[in-house]
Amino acid sequence: RKEVEQDPGPFNVPEGATVAFNCTYSNSASQSFFWYRQDCRKEPKLLMSVYSSGNEDGRFTAQLNRASQYISLLIRDSKLSDSATYLCVVNDDYKLSFGAGTTVTVRA
Amino acid sequence: GAGVSQTPSNKVTEKGKYVELRCDPISGHTALYWYRQSLGQGPEFLIYFQGTGAADDSGLPNDRFFAVRPEGSVSTLKIQRTERGDSAVYLCASSPGLAGGYNEQFFGPGTRLTVL
Repeated sequence: RKEVEQDPGPFNVPEGATVAFNCTYSNSASQSFFWYRQDCRKEPKLLMSVYSSGNEDGRFTAQLNRASQYISLLIRDSKLSDSATYLCVVNDDYKLSFGAGTTVTVRA
Repeated sequence: GAGVSQTPSNKVTEKGKYVELRCDPISGHTALYWYRQSLGQGPEFLIYFQGTGAADDSGLPNDRFFAVRPEGSVSTLKIQRTERGDSAVYLCASSPGLAGGYNEQFFGPGTRLTVL
């Protein structure tokens, strides 16, 4: 079983729509969680950290459910520039474990 | 300021050859990581350096893979007797290496290795 599992998508949504997707993780002792964004043929970049209480960063909302071991990301008012692969990441001390990514395509 | 840089950006080699991939971390970052990303997958951890020493090399797939960081800055990932299955993007990341809490890892653009 992979440590981090994600729905690969793709999610094809019109501009202005809301899109949400989850990932699950296997290590119940994991402490830190993140969403990274990766554009085609580019390096991953940190989008946001995920806190137990849930957190927002502009149009992005992340939630963590420790009991069920899943993490979610919601994007409101989608922009064309949101088209990317979103990587769910679990940090155990220094080692990052990545999901395979969820691809989102926002169309005009 | 300058981010993490990696050279070469692309490397094509033949099966059985030896390759070296270089990573220049962000200045002052003591922690350096190598990851490998295969097509359609997320990056997978290979090795972590704190300063000059490899603190964790548990992700290296076999003894054909080796990495060094002799002066605590630039790192080189070395692959001997390359195999077609080694084809992937090799990503390097660095972080400040501060104790306590998460240190964001900043990734370089990667080296795309193709083994023919």
